[in-house]
Formats: sequence, C-alpha cells, structure tokens
Amino acid sequence: SQKIEQNSEALNIQEGKTATLTCNYTNYSPAYLQWYRQDPGRGPVFLLLIRENEKEKRKERLKVTFDTTLKQSLFHITASQPADSATYLCALPEAGTALIFGKGTTLSVSS
Amino acid sequence: EAQVTQNPRYLITVTGKKLTVTCSQNMNHEYMSWYRQDPGLGLRQIYYSMNVEVTDKGDVPEGYKVSRKEKRNFPLILESPSPNQTSLYFCASSLGAENQPQHFGDGTRLSIL
Repeated sequence: SQKIEQNSEALNIQEGKTATLTCNYTNYSPAYLQWYRQDPGRGPVFLLLIRENEKEKRKERLKVTFDTTLKQSLFHITASQPADSATYLCALPEAGTALIFGKGTTLSVSS
Repeated sequence: EAQVTQNPRYLITVTGKKLTVTCSQNMNHEYMSWYRQDPGLGLRQIYYSMNVEVTDKGDVPEGYKVSRKEKRNFPLILESPSPNQTSLYFCASSLGAENQPQHFGDGTRLSIL
C-alpha cells in the first residue's frame, strides 16, 4: 500500500523567510495530492490540491509542486509570518476513494 | 455557514458502554468519512461513504460501525468501546470521492477508561 513520508516532524524558521515542507510517497504516483493545515485541537483545513499533470500550483503566498519522477511534493510558504505556525499535512488517494495522510510537519515561525 | 458538525466534542466513558458520535454536514456532500488521529500515527481513515447506503472500510475499521441512511448524517458507532479506542476523531465530507477537498469537523476527543 501507499506510504507517505513528511521528512521533518518540525521546522523552525524566522519571520519573512520561505518555509519549504516535503512530502514523499513510495509507490504509484497518485492522480492528485492535497495539502492541509491543522491548528492544535482543530480539524485540518484544506489549502491546495495539485493534479499529476500540474507541475506547480499557487495560492497567495503558498506554492505547491508535484514531481512524479521524484515521487515528491514540495510545499512553500513565502514571506512567512508567525500566524503560519501550524502543522501541515499532505494527503493522497489510495484505491481511488480512500484518502491517506502523512504524519505532518509542525512549522514554527518566530518573529 | 457551510460546516461539518460533530457531537459530542468531548466524552469520557467506560469500557463496553456503547456510544455514538454524530456527524452532520450541510453542504449536500456525497462523500463522508471518519478518521482517528493519534500521536505519532497521524490521521488514519476508519470508514468512508460514497453516498447514501454505500459505506466501505478504511485503514482501521476494527471495533467501529457506521451507517449512512441520509446524505447529511454519518454517525460513528462504538458497540463495545475499549481503551485502545481512546483518540481524537474527525468527520469529513466532500463533494465527491476524488479530486475534492475534504471539509473537516472540529473533532471529538474520546477517552475510554
């Protein structure tokens, strides 16, 4: 079955820098991949979806890339702010209809 | 306001006492699912439903039941809860099964003593 690895459990950066989070998967390339943000005690909130035929997707300060050769997605937050501090999860479909999630990377942005 | 509502938000109960966690969405979504989240293990899918009367097992279905009699509701039933089901549970819904963002509820924290 598919396995997802989010390489860093925690990432600490300074305000204004670009945060880059990594999501690697092990088996077949999924038709799409999603990124979510989760704050403590809250449910995940959808951020971006990128399809296998899209190399890059942007939304305001967020950018996601999808490299099916490397089996990897990168999630970038530019000009990071303390309010961006949260856990970020990547997710991809398995068996067509189930969605599996990585364990997440906790980002801390210090001012 | 579009939302997924779970109840209760917190519950402490004892082993073997049947309980139901309700989940309701007001977005007319076809796809609904339940996850549990545990430290070090992340989010794991318990059951999902592609439409009314259609449910299927996720990664960790043992000890749980679900039903989907109406489009908006997808209750999670623990017939005989055990301490290893102590966890944070999330319900989610989406327009369809594929290529759609999931909308999550705020979670239900269950403690089984």
